[in-house]
Amino acid sequence: DAKTTQPNSMESNEEEPVHLPCNHSTISGTDYIHWYRQLPSQGPEYVIHGLTSNVNNRMASLAIAEDRKSSTLILHRATLRDAAVYYCILRGNNAGNMLTFGGGTRLMVKP
Amino acid sequence: GAGVSQSPSNKVTEKGKDVELRCDPISGHTALYWYRQSLGQGLEFLIYFQGNSAPDKSGLPSDRFSAERTGGSVSTLTIQRTQQEDSAVYLCASSPRGLGYGYTFGSGTRLTVV
Repeated sequence: DAKTTQPNSMESNEEEPVHLPCNHSTISGTDYIHWYRQLPSQGPEYVIHGLTSNVNNRMASLAIAEDRKSSTLILHRATLRDAAVYYCILRGNNAGNMLTFGGGTRLMVKP
Repeated sequence: GAGVSQSPSNKVTEKGKDVELRCDPISGHTALYWYRQSLGQGLEFLIYFQGNSAPDKSGLPSDRFSAERTGGSVSTLTIQRTQQEDSAVYLCASSPRGLGYGYTFGSGTRLTVV
């Protein structure tokens, strides 16, 4: 499976934008880029996904590099509730199309 | 229901006992996945069901673990002769078939083996 690389942790101030990077230099043409987050003591929560074009939804935006070897999850205004571990995962044509979770980025939001 | 439902939310069992964990996926989702997460660790894939196909059991850590999915809907994860290292949060997720869909996770079952 293609792997992703994320910083272990990041800090942000409340009400400021947050850009969470992810490198996936070995991505294949059919891999979708998925982002999930896990709040403390909860199961993971789907955030957003994309293939080639940038994507926006009510939670976040996903900016995908033209060569698709990296992507950035953008939280437009961080709140204390956004403090979580954010996982960038490639979902491809492996058996079961399953998601393989790495270590993610722990986002800390300061008031 | 609107989401993935797991029961029980918490389970404390004695070492050596068998336990059953239940997952009700979102109606119409053909794919169902079980993961577990030990304290402070990442998610570990256990088993995957897709429609009526044979499940992918490649993540099950030992033959004490088994799972079934009845009627393409509800799934039960069974752990026989529980050990202390089985203590973890067991998470279930469901998804429509295809790469262009996200997973919806349940809140998990916290299993403690004493």
